[in-house]
Amino acid sequence: DVKVTQSSRYLVKRTGEKVFLECVQDMDHENMFWYRQDPGLGLRLIYFSYDVKMKEKGDIPEGYSVSREKKERFSLILESASTNQTSMYLCASSPYRDPHGYTFGSGTRLTVV
Amino acid sequence: GQNIDQPTEMTATEGAIVQINCTYQTSGFNGLFWYQQHAGEAPTFLSYNVLDGLEEKGRFSSFLSRSKGYSYLLLKELQMKDSASYLCAFRNTGGFKTIFGAGTRLFVKA
Repeated sequence: DVKVTQSSRYLVKRTGEKVFLECVQDMDHENMFWYRQDPGLGLRLIYFSYDVKMKEKGDIPEGYSVSREKKERFSLILESASTNQTSMYLCASSPYRDPHGYTFGSGTRLTVV
Repeated sequence: GQNIDQPTEMTATEGAIVQINCTYQTSGFNGLFWYQQHAGEAPTFLSYNVLDGLEEKGRFSSFLSRSKGYSYLLLKELQMKDSASYLCAFRNTGGFKTIFGAGTRLFVKA
C-alpha cells in the first residue's frame, strides 16, 4: 500500500522555537507539497517541490522554509514558530502531471503556545 | 485572480441523492478534482475532470463545464459513511499547483 508518512500526528511547540515537520513518500513521486488547513479557509499551499533540491513558493510561504535533499523526503521548517502558525499541516505527493491527484499524509496538528 | 466557491454545509438523508456544487475562476485551467475528507483524516482522491461532461465512478459522479467555471459532485444511494467534507480543487496550467476550496461538510442522517 502506497504511503505518504508524516513524522508526527500531534505537536506542541513554544513561540520562537524552530520546528521541523517531516514527510516521506514511498511512491517515487516527483512532486511534493506542503499545505496548511484551517477551518473556513481550506487547504492553502505553503511550498512545493517538483524535483530533488528544487522548491517553489506557494501562496503563503512567509515564516516557512523547506528542504528536499532526497526524492522521497520533503521537510517543512518553521524558522521561529508563532501562534498564528497553529494549524493542521498536510503533506502530499503526486507523479509528474498525473491526473489522479495527490496522495496525502495523515497530517500533523501543530499547536504553538 | 483565482477563486473557488462551494457551499459550507449540506444535509441529506440516507439512501437519497445529493449534488454538491462548485464554481471557480482562473485564468489557466488544467483539470478539476474532488476529494473526500473524513473528520481528522487526510483527503482522499475521488475524481478528476479535464473535459466537459460527466464522469461516473460507482455511486459517485462528477460533472464539469469549463465555459461556466462550474462542477458538481453527485452522490447516489447515500450511506452514513458518506458523512464527510468534500473538497473541490482545480489545477492551474503548468501542472504543479492545485487550488482548493474550503470544502462542503455533508451530513447524512438516517
